[in-house]
Amino acid sequence: GDSVTQTEGPVTLSEGTSLTVNCSYETKQYPTLFWYVQYPGEGPQLLFKVPKANEKGSNRGFEATYNKEATSFHLQKASVQESDSAVYYCALSDRMGTGNYKYVFGAGTRLKVIA
Amino acid sequence: AQTIHQWPVAEIKAVGSPLSLGCTIKGKSSPNLYWYWQATGGTLQQLFYSITVGQVESVVQLNLSASRPKDDQFILSTEKLLLSHSGFYLCAWSHRSNSDYTFGSGTRLLVI
Repeated sequence: GDSVTQTEGPVTLSEGTSLTVNCSYETKQYPTLFWYVQYPGEGPQLLFKVPKANEKGSNRGFEATYNKEATSFHLQKASVQESDSAVYYCALSDRMGTGNYKYVFGAGTRLKVIA
Repeated sequence: AQTIHQWPVAEIKAVGSPLSLGCTIKGKSSPNLYWYWQATGGTLQQLFYSITVGQVESVVQLNLSASRPKDDQFILSTEKLLLSHSGFYLCAWSHRSNSDYTFGSGTRLLVI
């Protein structure tokens, strides 16, 4: 079945340093790939998505490239801030014949940024 | 603009007691609706989805049930809570035409 594997957390970084959260996926279909971010006590919110292979998504300084050959979608940010502290989820979505979208989330990577 | 509202915000319930959690979506007709569960520190697990009123599909069996009595309402319930039901319950919606999720702010449940 489909699966998503991402960097195991927690990840602790100092403000101003760079971030990479690895994400690898397995599927036999042609999914859309997502990064979601979840702040404490809240539901996850969409950071960005990339529906097509070899394209890049970005938002708020975060970016990721849909690498179909390597089946990867690594999240990167050049310079993290304390406000980036959150849990980051990589996910894939495939449309099913029933009209539902099958979603598979990774285990999440907790990021803590210290001043 | 569409809004999603979950209630209650938090619950502490006894083992064996009933539970009902609600979710309402305003400003969007005929959304796809989803229930997710998240154990403390865990990932997101889809429980149910619904693409139309009165129709709910189960994804994982956790001694829970779901119903969609109205187009904009999704209910999660059980008659007898287990300790393992503790966690964070999230409702989400998406358009029929794409898969972007918008999550609610969740209900935190503690079963004692």
